[in-house]
Amino acid sequence: KQEVTQIPAALSVPEGENLVLNCSFTDSAIYNLQWFRQDPGKGLTSLLLIQSSQREQTSGRLNASLDKSSGRSTLYIAASQPGDSATYLCAVNDYKLSFGAGTTVTVRA
Amino acid sequence: EAGVAQSPRYKIIEKRQSVAFWCNPISGHATLYWYQQILGQGPKLLIQFQNNGVVDDSQLPKDRFSAERLKGVDSTLKIQPAKLEDSAVYLCASSLGTSPYNEQFFGPGTRLTVL
Repeated sequence: KQEVTQIPAALSVPEGENLVLNCSFTDSAIYNLQWFRQDPGKGLTSLLLIQSSQREQTSGRLNASLDKSSGRSTLYIAASQPGDSATYLCAVNDYKLSFGAGTTVTVRA
Repeated sequence: EAGVAQSPRYKIIEKRQSVAFWCNPISGHATLYWYQQILGQGPKLLIQFQNNGVVDDSQLPKDRFSAERLKGVDSTLKIQPAKLEDSAVYLCASSLGTSPYNEQFFGPGTRLTVL
């Protein structure tokens, strides 16, 4: 059974600092990995999707890397802003999505 | 393009009552998913439909939960009778095509509180 872990559970940084969010998974036989953002009381917004054959994916200030052999992915958010405050979830797809519990980020103005 | 629609957004019921949630996926999306997200946890898949057939319902508590997808479009998830531990956000997602590896798009969710 796939287990997905996100550390830390919560993170608070001053505005402008770069964010590094970690995701680890136990079974490396995955097809792809997605990073989602969830605002309080809202659904999930897809940020980046990385195919298993890719090493990284970039969108604006966001960059996600994938090391399938070691079962790790990292989401980098450059020059954080208060609007980046949210919970970030990673999900691995090995036929179905298995989610981590998320990292709750607070960016202080 | 309209996203995944869900209603109601919030629901409060007493334990042992019944409740139903509705989902309208993105137009043309063949696959529909229902997830349960308990506070502080990631979403957990309850059931997956391809068109109007069930692909995976292995984690659906079938003694109290039921779901259907009408004409391969809208879907309804029902809980009868509800328990305290059913308090959660119920998320609906859809994806284009029938591959399990397609990107999933999520609705805003229904927050259920069971008292």
